[in-house]
Amino acid sequence: GAGVSQSPRYKVAKRGQDVALRCDPISGHVSLFWYQQALGQGPEFLTYFQNEAQLDKSGLPSDRFFAERPEGSVSTLKIQRTQQEDSAVYLCASSWRQGPTGELFFGEGSRLTVL
Amino acid sequence: AQTVTQSQPEMSVQEAETVTLSCTYDTSESDYYLFWYKQPPSRQMILVIRQEAYKQQNATENRFSVNFQKAAKSFSLKISDSQLGDAAMYFCAYRGGGDYKLSFGAGTTVTVRA
Repeated sequence: GAGVSQSPRYKVAKRGQDVALRCDPISGHVSLFWYQQALGQGPEFLTYFQNEAQLDKSGLPSDRFFAERPEGSVSTLKIQRTQQEDSAVYLCASSWRQGPTGELFFGEGSRLTVL
Repeated sequence: AQTVTQSQPEMSVQEAETVTLSCTYDTSESDYYLFWYKQPPSRQMILVIRQEAYKQQNATENRFSVNFQKAAKSFSLKISDSQLGDAAMYFCAYRGGGDYKLSFGAGTTVTVRA
């Protein structure tokens, strides 16, 4: 695709529900990142994939958060038993290069509101 | 972990005027990259400008330029000839030379007055 696509753009969940957020990176991009952006704050790193391998999940806040990228393209961020503190915008970004170099291209994010 | 500090929550500028956004960072590394990202209401982060720490020359991109002071660990963004389309939240970000994670500041909201 022309850019990084994320869905849904908006999600409202009741506390305790499970949610799944999808990221479709730019075709051919090797690296994929998830960031969490709380209201009025800068994004914070959640996890990093290189192709299908999840090389870093140190930013995931708890074991309720799970991310996958099984075929090295589309990625899904799953949050189980959502809590109010999970309310945030979840940004996905991709890069065609492996490792630290390469410009990141961001999607428009998925805004999650937990009631 | 690296810390990126943006001390100005909001800045306002008259159209066609110049505004400077401040950013300081804390690191013990000598090799790193600094970035300014723009986030409009659509939420999509757009790279404005990038600076490699080993380069002494300040980066420029059209109306956007930086003042990189490595010793002071300061990285300010100057927006010249401000346009209505420049209104957005601006984030300063740091990435270590061998790292892949970005560390972001809290952001500065820029409003442009017509």
